[in-house]
Amino acid sequence: SAVISQKPSRDICQRGTSLTIQCQVDSQVTMMFWYRQQPGQSLTLIATANQGSEATYESGFVIDKFPISRPNLTFSTLTVSNMSPEDSSIYLCSGGQEAGGYTFGSGTRLTVV
Amino acid sequence: TQLLEQSPQFLSIQEGENLTVYCNSSSVFSSLQWYRQEPGEGPVLLVTVVTGGEVKKLKRLTFQFGDARKDSSLHITAAQPGDTGLYLCAATNTGFQKLVFGTGTRLLVSP
Repeated sequence: SAVISQKPSRDICQRGTSLTIQCQVDSQVTMMFWYRQQPGQSLTLIATANQGSEATYESGFVIDKFPISRPNLTFSTLTVSNMSPEDSSIYLCSGGQEAGGYTFGSGTRLTVV
Repeated sequence: TQLLEQSPQFLSIQEGENLTVYCNSSSVFSSLQWYRQEPGEGPVLLVTVVTGGEVKKLKRLTFQFGDARKDSSLHITAAQPGDTGLYLCAATNTGFQKLVFGTGTRLLVSP
């Protein structure tokens, strides 16, 4: 199955600033997803990153706050914009392909101060 | 929005004990997956079940998909401290689509 490298692994950011998280997959994957997770809790899907077109966002998440890029089948970025302390969380990317199931990055632990 | 409810939410047991985690929904799913996640890491896929009534075994772990494809269970025999982690069920509706995750079960196995 695919291996996903996610960076940064953690960051502490000032409120009002933006952070871009990157995910690199070692092979082409059909779909990529971005999730948010509070420590010890389940994952909430933010959006599906579509290659060559705008991402598909879940209810409660908007493009202005979480712009996503996916220029090719092995790379995607998520930006958390105009951050507030409520954005403090773990952000995870995932890649999937029909034959191999879903693989996750190690996550980015974001703290907004 | 489909909901996948897991029970129990938290389980603390001694090494050697058996346990079962449940994943229930009112929706029918085309496939269901179980993941385990350790602190500082992403979830790791344990198994995928696709057929109603299907049972899969992975060493000491036994996974079952309900006949109606609405529920699933994970049974661990003779739990070990290395089994400690967050267990998540996740399901897809039809074909290859986004995952809906369960509420999660935190397992702590003490020596």
